[in-house]
Amino acid sequence: DSGVTQTPKHLITATGQRVTLRCSPRSGDLSVYWYQQSLDQGLQFLIQYYNGEERAKGNILERFSAQQFPDLHSELNLSSLELGDSALYFCASSVDQAEAFFGQGTRLTVV
Amino acid sequence: GIQVEQSPPDLILQEGANSTLRCNFSDSVNNLQWFHQNPWGQLINLFYIPSGTKQNGRLSATTVATERYSLLYISSSQTTDSGVYFCAVTPGTGANNLFFGTGTRLTVIP
Repeated sequence: DSGVTQTPKHLITATGQRVTLRCSPRSGDLSVYWYQQSLDQGLQFLIQYYNGEERAKGNILERFSAQQFPDLHSELNLSSLELGDSALYFCASSVDQAEAFFGQGTRLTVV
Repeated sequence: GIQVEQSPPDLILQEGANSTLRCNFSDSVNNLQWFHQNPWGQLINLFYIPSGTKQNGRLSATTVATERYSLLYISSSQTTDSGVYFCAVTPGTGANNLFFGTGTRLTVIP
């Protein structure tokens, strides 16, 4: 158990819909990262939050957004979903640039 | 951004065999991690090894930062070692997220 909790584990939704993925980081970790793993793109960084503030953006689509709350949990919002958004979405947490630990992932299927 | 290349892309081993997986990266790094993604999709931390050598049971890893590569050794492989092994790095300057290689898919047959 990495100590990072992601919910839900699986999500099936229709095109055009909006979903919210949730992540609780390890106790004491201020940094939360979101990654997407798809068959054609591999594991790609989406966005990072540090103590409630957005710190870095990667290959995140405009239809996607995230936030980190005062209790340090984070949510990734995916809207106007397309078939190509089907992927495994991971949350990771770390103490700044130190070792990152990953949650179990949310497997999103868009039909 | 930084490039991370892993080799070989696929590896099939008989149970009990040893193997070496390689990770090359194109620039200096602050962080290097090895992960095992099991058949259920979980990313399991194996090593946090920006430099030097570490061992954990049948697994060991070595990173030579000055030559920009890392090696993961698996000895006496077991069927439960099957899965995909990823190397991921954080660049020495700029971003502090992980950049992943494309992985080595290991299949251990009984």
